Amino acid sequence: GDSVTQMEGPVTLSEEAFLTINCTYTATGYPSLFWYVQYPGEGLQLLLKATKADDKGSNKGFEATYRKETTSFHLEKGSVQVSDSAVYFCALSDGNYGGSQGNLIFGKGTKLSVKP
Amino acid sequence: DGGITQSPKYLFRKEGQNVTLSCEQNLNHDAMYWYRQDPGQGLRLIYYSQIVNDFQKGDIAEGYSVSREKKESFPLTVTSAQKNPTAFYLCASNRGKANEKLFFGSGTQLSVL
Repeated sequence: GDSVTQMEGPVTLSEEAFLTINCTYTATGYPSLFWYVQYPGEGLQLLLKATKADDKGSNKGFEATYRKETTSFHLEKGSVQVSDSAVYFCALSDGNYGGSQGNLIFGKGTKLSVKP
Repeated sequence: DGGITQSPKYLFRKEGQNVTLSCEQNLNHDAMYWYRQDPGQGLRLIYYSQIVNDFQKGDIAEGYSVSREKKESFPLTVTSAQKNPTAFYLCASNRGKANEKLFFGSGTQLSVL
């Protein structure tokens, strides 16, 4: 079945460091791909999205490119801030998960801590 | 402002007790979902509903029940049959179409006394 695999955390970086969080997926169709962010004690917020191959999603300095050839959607940011400390989830939607078109399949999440 | 409201923020359950988590949305979304989040486990789907008066089991439905009597509301009951209920519960919604993002509530932390 479809699945999402993220790099294990936690990831600890100093402020202004470069961030990469790896995400690869397995899907039978042509899924849309998402990155969500979760701050402590809160729900998930959509960070960015890409709907087809070679699309680049971007928001708040974060970027991810939909790579069909490597089935990847790695999250990157050139210079992280303390306020970026959170858990990041990669997810996919293939439009047909267990009979639910709208459901997403999530990775396990990667915790990022940014030190001043 | 439109959004999803979950209550309470924190909930404690005694042994053998059923507890109900509330989820309300004013986004006019047809589909609603309940997820369970455990540390290091990501999100696992408990139940979902595509339309009023209809709902389907997700991956880990045992020990849980839901209802969808109104479009805006999708309460989750954690029954005494759920032997390990301590977790963070997240409610979400969208229009139920393919490739759509999910909107999430702020979650309920359930703990066992």
